[in-house]
Amino acid sequence: DAGVIQSPRHEVTEMGQEVTLRCKPISGHDYLFWYRQTMMRGLELLIYFNNNVPIDDSGMPEDRFSAKMPNASFSTLKIQPSEPRDSAVYFCASSSRGTHLSYTQYFGPGTRLTVL
Amino acid sequence: SQQGEEDPQALSIQEGENATMNCSYKTSINNLQWYRQNSGRGLVHLILIRSNEREKHSGRLRVTLDTSKKSSSLLITASRAADTASYFCATTTDSWGKLQFGAGTQVVVTP
Repeated sequence: DAGVIQSPRHEVTEMGQEVTLRCKPISGHDYLFWYRQTMMRGLELLIYFNNNVPIDDSGMPEDRFSAKMPNASFSTLKIQPSEPRDSAVYFCASSSRGTHLSYTQYFGPGTRLTVL
Repeated sequence: SQQGEEDPQALSIQEGENATMNCSYKTSINNLQWYRQNSGRGLVHLILIRSNEREKHSGRLRVTLDTSKKSSSLLITASRAADTASYFCATTTDSWGKLQFGAGTQVVVTP
């Protein structure tokens, strides 16, 4: 299995621009999580989905952030407009409740976002 | 706010020594997990211990859980340079499997 795939791996953009981060979860996993990691705030859960439906988006910092999961194999996290304080590493993770490894999350390599 | 807090924040040891790090949490949990993060990489799951378990082993890893003290420890025995990484504890408190991570312990193992 290829694991969780994220793209792009690095993104540099200017303040005010729209940024779209992409994630392909592990095939068969029915949970998908988006996290943000910074030195100051550590690892923060932004939003998670179950069977493509958003369950909890209380971690989304503000309306500039939105996430979608149009099908079981693809999710996006969009920031519009982006601000310098959005600079962070964004991780996508997936998991399956249907195996003995339920609750274990598998992380992608992350997207390092820099907003100038 | 973070559910788990690791102690120490940083740990420097030599190869062959044991490394111990602790995690404290605030509310009742379903299970507790430990993850490792190498520099510039995503997190990798190491081990899961359920709330009704007290100790678990996996290779050179030993995890304990004390629910009365709301704390867990991770022991890495006979450490290697490749163990250099940040280690995070994460707790699950709901049926959705949502994880709450601590701030992590940065471990440096020198040859």
